Amino acid sequence: DGGITQSPKYLFRKEGQNVTLSCEQNLNHDAMYWYRQDPGQGLRLIYYSQIVNDFQKGDIAEGYSVSREKKESFPLTVTSAQKNPTAFYLCASSIAPVGSYEQYFGPGTRLTVT
Amino acid sequence: GQQVMQIPQYQHVQEGEDFTTYCNSSTTLSNIQWYKQRPGGHPVFLIQLVKSGEVKKQKRLTFQFGEAKKNSSLHITATQTTDVGTYFCAGGTTSGTYKYIFGTGTRLKVLA
Repeated sequence: DGGITQSPKYLFRKEGQNVTLSCEQNLNHDAMYWYRQDPGQGLRLIYYSQIVNDFQKGDIAEGYSVSREKKESFPLTVTSAQKNPTAFYLCASSIAPVGSYEQYFGPGTRLTVT
Repeated sequence: GQQVMQIPQYQHVQEGEDFTTYCNSSTTLSNIQWYKQRPGGHPVFLIQLVKSGEVKKQKRLTFQFGEAKKNSSLHITATQTTDVGTYFCAGGTTSGTYKYIFGTGTRLKVLA
């Protein structure tokens, strides 16, 4: 089956620790995105990548980092600098970097930091 | 910065009633997409509108894109319990950065 996988589904960390969220797609999509969703709110863009070895900051990039070494992988690191990291994190991809194609979302990772 | 607002934030309807959610952007959009997120799930693409004044239908769902390409609406006729979820619009920017600005979402509950 083609799609996007995110792991783990639930993640618990202590404050002050960095944590990396996995996102893998086998759709052969060029563009990939990371969003954050807080309860009762919409999706806010953290980072996006239009092509391998390139990525751009979204609206709330502070305290996060990404890499895009392979087309199919776009991991997100939540650093200790992120002041309020507890949230639902969604990874998405689209067929082309041009913003006129539907985004396919992964199942998400719920991160809880205490 | 660019913002996309949706109203209402919540809507409870009796099964069989109609439902509409509205999306308004502070700037002109290149296109608009609509997504549905079931409780506990992830957003799933519904449709994309590109042309000014465009109207598209999917069974009981009708999507409109405003003439100025700054607003959009989703109308559901005769809601069913399967329509429950949060509906998001996502505006494509015209700045060349190829990113989408998601609306705040409308959470729909359908009472049987």
